[in-house]
Amino acid sequence: EDQVTQSPEALRLQEGESSSLNCSYTVSGLRGLFWYRQDPGKGPEFLFTLYSAGEEKEKERLKATLTKKESFLHITAPKPEDSATYLCAVLGKAAGNKLTFGGGTRVLVKP
Amino acid sequence: NAGVTQTPKFQVLKTGQSMTLQCAQDMNHEYMSWYRQDPGMGLRLIHYSVGAGITDQGEVPNGYNVSRSTTEDFPLRLLSAAPSQTSVYFCASSRDRGYEQFFGPGTRLTVL
Repeated sequence: EDQVTQSPEALRLQEGESSSLNCSYTVSGLRGLFWYRQDPGKGPEFLFTLYSAGEEKEKERLKATLTKKESFLHITAPKPEDSATYLCAVLGKAAGNKLTFGGGTRVLVKP
Repeated sequence: NAGVTQTPKFQVLKTGQSMTLQCAQDMNHEYMSWYRQDPGMGLRLIHYSVGAGITDQGEVPNGYNVSRSTTEDFPLRLLSAAPSQTSVYFCASSRDRGYEQFFGPGTRLTVL
């Protein structure tokens, strides 16, 4: 059974204070690892897909990296508008189209 | 493109009532899924479909039915609502396995 654990559960940052979110996973053959952003009262919004260890993706102040056991979402010089819950999900080869989500990390960036 | 749409946005039911949550997408995606999101539990897969006429169970299917008669629509039926089904429900679609899922805005359901 695929499993995803995200840490920390919550993160408070000052504007400009860079930090990293962790997503640890166990999966029987990784098809893809996905990062989503979710704002309160809204559906998750896709950020990145990573397919193999060593891969990196960037978008504005966000950078996602992948190893064989975990993924990191680095937030560089965050702004208040980066405040959101960040979700990690994995798609395993044995799971068909079933995404397994972690519990998320709530990020609050204070001005 | 409207993307993934869900109706209603909010719903209050009494225990034992039935209802259907609507989901539609205009991206011609084959894959569609229903999730529920509860505090401390994350997103959990209820049912999913890999194309019109094909559905399968996810992690928490009990108490829910789905059907997929067209590519665009994927309704979720609550047969006899229970307080344990109080949750936020999200519908999602993707073009193929391994690709990102696009989520709808959600339906917040309260069962009294």
